[in-house]
Amino acid sequence: AQKITQTQPGMFVQEKEAVTLDCTYDTSDQSYGLFWYKQPSSGEMIFLIYQGSYDEQNATEGRYSLNFQKARKSANLVISASQLGDSAMYFCAMREVGTGNQFYFGTGTSLTVIP
Amino acid sequence: DTGVSQDPRHKITKRGQNVTFRCDPISEHNRLYWYRQTLGQGPEFLTYFQNEAQLEKSRLLSDRFSAERPKGSFSTLEIQRTEQGDSAMYLCASKTAYNEQFFGPGTRLTVL
Repeated sequence: AQKITQTQPGMFVQEKEAVTLDCTYDTSDQSYGLFWYKQPSSGEMIFLIYQGSYDEQNATEGRYSLNFQKARKSANLVISASQLGDSAMYFCAMREVGTGNQFYFGTGTSLTVIP
Repeated sequence: DTGVSQDPRHKITKRGQNVTFRCDPISEHNRLYWYRQTLGQGPEFLTYFQNEAQLEKSRLLSDRFSAERPKGSFSTLEIQRTEQGDSAMYLCASKTAYNEQFFGPGTRLTVL
Protein backbone atom coordinates (compact mmCIF):
# COMPACT_ATOMS: atom_id res chain seq x y z
CA ALA A 1 0.00 0.00 0.00
CA GLN A 2 1.12 3.53 -0.68
CA LYS A 3 2.30 5.34 2.41
CA ILE A 4 1.31 8.74 1.01
CA THR A 5 -1.48 9.33 -1.48
CA GLN A 6 -2.05 12.58 -3.31
CA THR A 7 -5.07 12.15 -5.55
CA GLN A 8 -4.96 15.50 -7.34
CA PRO A 9 -2.39 15.46 -10.15
CA GLY A 10 -3.21 19.06 -11.06
CA MET A 11 -5.09 21.92 -9.48
CA PHE A 12 -5.96 25.44 -10.62
CA VAL A 13 -6.77 28.37 -8.37
CA GLN A 14 -7.55 31.99 -9.00
CA GLU A 15 -5.07 34.47 -7.61
CA LYS A 16 -5.99 35.62 -4.09
CA GLU A 17 -8.26 32.63 -3.54
CA ALA A 18 -7.63 29.77 -1.12
CA VAL A 19 -6.86 26.25 -2.28
CA THR A 20 -6.71 22.86 -0.52
CA LEU A 21 -4.28 20.17 -1.62
CA ASP A 22 -5.23 16.70 -0.43
CA CYS A 23 -2.97 14.17 1.25
CA THR A 24 -3.83 10.90 2.93
CA TYR A 25 -1.34 8.64 4.64
CA ASP A 26 -1.07 5.09 5.79
CA THR A 27 0.76 4.07 8.93
CA SER A 28 0.29 1.87 11.97
CA ASP A 29 2.81 3.89 13.97
CA GLN A 30 1.53 6.13 16.75
CA SER A 31 4.39 8.56 16.35
CA TYR A 32 4.97 10.11 12.98
CA GLY A 33 5.53 13.43 11.29
CA LEU A 34 3.85 14.91 8.25
CA PHE A 35 5.50 17.43 5.97
CA TRP A 36 4.64 19.50 2.94
CA TYR A 37 7.26 20.60 0.43
CA LYS A 38 7.03 22.90 -2.58
CA GLN A 39 9.06 22.22 -5.72
CA PRO A 40 9.10 25.06 -8.25
CA SER A 41 10.15 24.46 -11.83
CA SER A 42 13.73 25.24 -10.83
CA GLY A 43 13.76 21.93 -8.96
CA GLU A 44 14.68 22.73 -5.37
CA MET A 45 12.51 21.27 -2.62
CA ILE A 46 11.32 23.94 -0.21
CA PHE A 47 9.96 22.97 3.22
CA LEU A 48 6.58 24.53 3.97
CA ILE A 49 5.02 23.08 7.09
CA TYR A 50 5.25 20.23 9.62
CA GLN A 51 2.65 18.44 11.74
CA GLY A 52 3.52 15.93 14.44
CA SER A 53 1.12 13.10 15.12
CA TYR A 54 0.73 14.17 18.73
CA ASP A 55 0.15 17.83 17.93
CA GLU A 56 -3.42 18.69 18.80
CA GLN A 57 -3.44 22.00 17.00
CA ASN A 58 -3.26 22.26 13.24
CA ALA A 59 0.08 23.65 12.13
CA THR A 60 0.21 27.07 10.51
CA GLU A 61 3.05 28.91 8.80
CA GLY A 62 2.06 32.23 7.30
CA ARG A 63 -0.33 31.55 4.42
CA TYR A 64 0.07 27.79 4.84
CA SER A 65 -1.97 25.69 7.20
CA LEU A 66 -2.24 21.96 7.60
CA ASN A 67 -5.70 20.51 8.13
CA PHE A 68 -4.81 17.45 10.21
CA GLN A 69 -7.56 14.87 10.65
CA LYS A 70 -5.92 12.00 12.46
CA ALA A 71 -8.85 9.61 12.44
CA ARG A 72 -9.18 10.01 8.69
CA LYS A 73 -5.41 9.90 8.23
CA SER A 74 -5.46 13.04 6.19
CA ALA A 75 -3.10 16.01 6.21
CA ASN A 76 -4.37 18.49 3.67
CA LEU A 77 -2.45 21.65 2.89
CA VAL A 78 -4.42 24.88 2.71
CA ILE A 79 -2.87 27.85 0.95
CA SER A 80 -4.69 31.08 1.58
CA ALA A 81 -4.59 34.16 -0.65
CA SER A 82 -2.83 32.36 -3.52
CA GLN A 83 -0.07 34.20 -5.33
CA LEU A 84 1.36 33.64 -8.80
CA GLY A 85 4.59 32.47 -7.17
CA ASP A 86 2.71 29.61 -5.56
CA SER A 87 2.56 27.83 -8.91
CA ALA A 88 4.66 24.71 -8.36
CA MET A 89 4.55 21.01 -7.49
CA TYR A 90 3.55 20.26 -3.92
CA PHE A 91 4.60 17.09 -2.15
CA CYS A 92 3.23 15.58 1.02
CA ALA A 93 5.65 13.43 3.01
CA MET A 94 5.67 11.32 6.15
CA ARG A 95 8.30 10.02 8.52
CA GLU A 96 7.46 7.15 10.84
CA VAL A 97 9.48 7.66 13.99
CA GLY A 98 9.32 4.08 15.17
CA THR A 99 10.29 2.24 12.01
CA GLY A 100 13.35 4.10 10.93
CA ASN A 101 14.34 7.28 9.28
CA GLN A 102 12.83 6.99 5.86
CA PHE A 103 10.72 9.79 4.53
CA TYR A 104 7.91 8.72 2.21
CA PHE A 105 6.73 11.15 -0.43
CA GLY A 106 3.55 11.27 -2.46
CA THR A 107 3.42 11.72 -6.20
CA GLY A 108 2.70 15.41 -5.88
CA THR A 109 0.09 17.91 -6.99
CA SER A 110 0.83 20.51 -9.63
CA LEU A 111 -0.73 23.82 -8.64
CA THR A 112 -1.28 26.57 -11.16
CA VAL A 113 -2.34 30.00 -9.96
CA ILE A 114 -4.33 31.90 -12.56
CA PRO A 115 -4.07 35.70 -12.64
CA ASP B 1 25.15 30.56 1.30
CA THR B 2 25.11 27.82 3.94
CA GLY B 3 22.51 25.54 2.38
CA VAL B 4 22.96 22.03 1.06
CA SER B 5 25.08 21.96 -2.07
CA GLN B 6 25.40 19.27 -4.70
CA ASP B 7 27.91 18.78 -7.45
CA PRO B 8 27.62 18.48 -10.38
CA ARG B 9 24.23 19.99 -11.13
CA HIS B 10 23.98 18.11 -14.40
CA LYS B 11 25.70 14.97 -15.65
CA ILE B 12 25.38 13.33 -19.04
CA THR B 13 27.02 9.95 -19.41
CA LYS B 14 27.00 6.97 -21.69
CA ARG B 15 25.45 3.70 -20.63
CA GLY B 16 27.93 1.53 -18.82
CA GLN B 17 30.00 4.38 -17.40
CA ASN B 18 30.43 5.06 -13.68
CA VAL B 19 29.33 8.36 -12.17
CA THR B 20 29.87 9.94 -8.77
CA PHE B 21 27.89 12.74 -7.19
CA ARG B 22 28.82 14.82 -4.18
CA CYS B 23 26.64 16.36 -1.49
CA ASP B 24 27.78 18.89 1.09
CA PRO B 25 25.19 19.16 3.86
CA ILE B 26 24.57 22.06 6.18
CA SER B 27 27.54 21.95 8.52
CA GLU B 28 25.78 21.20 11.82
CA HIS B 29 23.47 18.57 10.30
CA ASN B 30 24.48 15.06 11.28
CA ARG B 31 21.80 13.31 9.21
CA LEU B 32 22.04 13.00 5.46
CA TYR B 33 19.65 11.47 2.94
CA TRP B 34 19.87 10.58 -0.72
CA TYR B 35 16.76 10.44 -2.91
CA ARG B 36 16.03 9.76 -6.54
CA GLN B 37 13.26 11.61 -8.33
CA THR B 38 11.97 10.73 -11.77
CA LEU B 39 9.66 12.90 -13.85
CA GLY B 40 6.19 13.18 -12.40
CA GLN B 41 7.08 11.37 -9.20
CA GLY B 42 7.95 12.34 -5.68
CA PRO B 43 11.42 11.77 -4.25
CA GLU B 44 12.17 8.10 -3.60
CA PHE B 45 14.35 7.28 -0.60
CA LEU B 46 17.70 5.69 -1.43
CA THR B 47 19.83 5.79 1.71
CA TYR B 48 20.39 7.53 5.04
CA PHE B 49 23.46 8.42 7.08
CA GLN B 50 23.74 9.45 10.66
CA ASN B 51 27.19 10.97 10.95
CA GLU B 52 29.45 8.57 9.01
CA ALA B 53 27.27 5.50 9.54
CA GLN B 54 24.99 4.37 6.74
CA LEU B 55 22.00 3.26 8.79
CA GLU B 56 19.42 2.58 6.14
CA LYS B 57 19.42 1.60 2.51
CA SER B 58 16.38 1.13 0.31
CA ARG B 59 15.66 -2.39 -0.84
CA LEU B 60 15.10 -0.86 -4.25
CA LEU B 61 18.73 0.21 -4.41
CA SER B 62 20.68 -2.13 -6.64
CA ASP B 63 24.23 -3.14 -5.80
CA ARG B 64 25.43 -0.82 -8.57
CA PHE B 65 24.70 2.04 -6.19
CA SER B 66 26.99 2.85 -3.30
CA ALA B 67 27.14 5.80 -0.97
CA GLU B 68 29.71 6.96 1.53
CA ARG B 69 30.07 9.66 4.13
CA PRO B 70 33.61 9.05 5.30
CA LYS B 71 34.04 11.79 7.88
CA GLY B 72 30.44 12.49 8.66
CA SER B 73 30.47 15.61 6.57
CA PHE B 74 30.12 15.43 2.78
CA SER B 75 28.71 12.36 1.07
CA THR B 76 29.21 10.74 -2.31
CA LEU B 77 26.81 8.60 -4.30
CA GLU B 78 28.36 6.39 -6.96
CA ILE B 79 26.48 4.56 -9.68
CA GLN B 80 28.46 1.87 -11.48
CA ARG B 81 27.68 0.61 -14.98
CA THR B 82 24.94 3.17 -15.50
CA GLU B 83 21.75 2.18 -17.28
CA GLN B 84 19.22 4.35 -19.06
CA GLY B 85 16.78 3.70 -16.22
CA ASP B 86 19.15 5.50 -13.87
CA SER B 87 18.32 8.80 -15.55
CA ALA B 88 16.73 10.92 -12.84
CA MET B 89 17.28 13.79 -10.47
CA TYR B 90 19.36 12.76 -7.46
CA LEU B 91 18.54 14.81 -4.40
CA CYS B 92 20.47 15.14 -1.18
CA ALA B 93 18.94 16.42 2.04
CA SER B 94 20.30 17.02 5.52
CA LYS B 95 18.84 17.63 8.95
CA THR B 96 19.49 17.53 12.65
CA ALA B 97 17.50 15.22 14.89
CA TYR B 98 14.88 17.87 15.47
CA ASN B 99 14.23 19.83 12.34
CA GLU B 100 12.90 19.22 8.88
CA GLN B 101 15.01 18.13 5.94
CA PHE B 102 16.76 20.77 3.90
CA PHE B 103 17.26 19.76 0.29
CA GLY B 104 20.03 20.55 -2.11
CA PRO B 105 19.41 21.65 -5.71
CA GLY B 106 19.90 18.11 -7.02
CA THR B 107 22.05 16.49 -9.68
CA ARG B 108 20.25 15.71 -12.91
CA LEU B 109 21.66 12.55 -14.50
CA THR B 110 21.05 11.67 -18.12
CA VAL B 111 22.26 8.29 -19.32
CA LEU B 112 22.47 8.01 -23.10
